Amino acid sequence: RKEVEQDPGPFNVPEGATVAFNCTYSNSASQSFFWYRQDCRKEPKLLMSVYSSGNEDGRFTAQLNRASQYISLLIRDSKLSDSATYLCVVNMFSGGYNKLIFGAGTRLAVHP
Amino acid sequence: NAGVTQTPKFQVLKTGQSMTLQCAQDMNHNSMYWYRQDPGMGLRLIYYSASEGTTDKGEVPNGYNVSRLNKREFSLRLESAAPSQTSVYFCASSEGLNAFFGQGTRLTVV
Repeated sequence: RKEVEQDPGPFNVPEGATVAFNCTYSNSASQSFFWYRQDCRKEPKLLMSVYSSGNEDGRFTAQLNRASQYISLLIRDSKLSDSATYLCVVNMFSGGYNKLIFGAGTRLAVHP
Repeated sequence: NAGVTQTPKFQVLKTGQSMTLQCAQDMNHNSMYWYRQDPGMGLRLIYYSASEGTTDKGEVPNGYNVSRLNKREFSLRLESAAPSQTSVYFCASSEGLNAFFGQGTRLTVV
């Protein structure tokens, strides 16, 4: 079983739609959680951290459920520019360093 | 502010050839990482370096070596390239939890 699992998609949605991505992680010792965004043929970049209380950044809302080991990302009012792959990332501090474990990513395609 | 710089951006190797991927960061970060990204697999950690002079194996270290000569630079070497090493390679650095990535090296081994 992969340590971080995501639905690969693609999610094809029209502009203005609301879309949600889910992610599950297997190690209950995981300490921190993130969503990264990766554009086609580019490097991953941090989109937002995910906190237990849930957090929002503009049109993006992230949620964490530690009991279920589940992370979500909600995008409201989708824009064409949101088309990208969204990577769920889990961090564990182990062996003296921060070990970032990446999911394989969920692809989003927003169309006019 | 360049961030993380990787060279080369593209490379084609023949099976058995060797090469070194270079990575440098100008953010004074202690931790540096090498990942490979393959379709459907996500990013997998090859090696990491928690500080200058230290390196440790990640999830998929076989066939690779690394060198952290100073705080800025962390290189990845393929001693004898194999087709299974065809991939996109990313270098990253971090101080705390946010990782910054280089633009990637697209390596093809034929």
